[in-house]
Amino acid sequence: GAGVSQSPSNKVTEKGKDVELRCDPISGHTALYWYRQSLGQGLEFLIYFQGNSAPDKSGLPSDRFSAERTGGSVSTLTIQRTQQEDSAVYLCASSSSRSNQPQHFGDGTRLSIL
Amino acid sequence: SQQGEEDPQALSIQEGENATMNCSYKTSINNLQWYRQNSGRGLVHLILIRSNEREKHSGRLRVTLDTSKKSSSLLITASRAADTASYFCATDALWAGLTFGKGTHLIIQP
Repeated sequence: GAGVSQSPSNKVTEKGKDVELRCDPISGHTALYWYRQSLGQGLEFLIYFQGNSAPDKSGLPSDRFSAERTGGSVSTLTIQRTQQEDSAVYLCASSSSRSNQPQHFGDGTRLSIL
Repeated sequence: SQQGEEDPQALSIQEGENATMNCSYKTSINNLQWYRQNSGRGLVHLILIRSNEREKHSGRLRVTLDTSKKSSSLLITASRAADTASYFCATDALWAGLTFGKGTHLIIQP
């Protein structure tokens, strides 16, 4: 079956621009997660959704980052006024429930801020 | 912040040998998971071990968990060239997402 789909796969943008990253989870998965992977920081948890609600947003690096999920399915991660330190691979994952389930990852969006 | 620390950071072995990677963590967990990542790709789930389990097997993989020492190990037996990848342990406390270690880069020499 279809896995987690992320788009775009690559994004190059200028500093100061806004970017929107999209994640399409596995159908029926209620939990959705965003992570960031960079050379300096490794894999960092950003935010997770149970259904359409995000119980904990404390992992978001700054108030320039926001995320939403609608219809219990697709999620978008938005970064406003991008900075060079935002350059990283943004990974999305989904799982069938929040408890003791493996997470299924997409291939990520590689974001480069010039 | 990083909770898990994998050891070693890099490991190179001959095809057919066994590979062992270790992971230590700091806080209480609900479960611990191991993932594999090939270059430029997303993470692939390998195995999940719950906090009340001590050992789990899946094919050529064997995972142990010692909650008293806050440590886990991943053993890959009879390694193959296709096992070349980075391996990450991740702890799940159920209050947020997974907390990953920095990973072990495994190279299998043919």
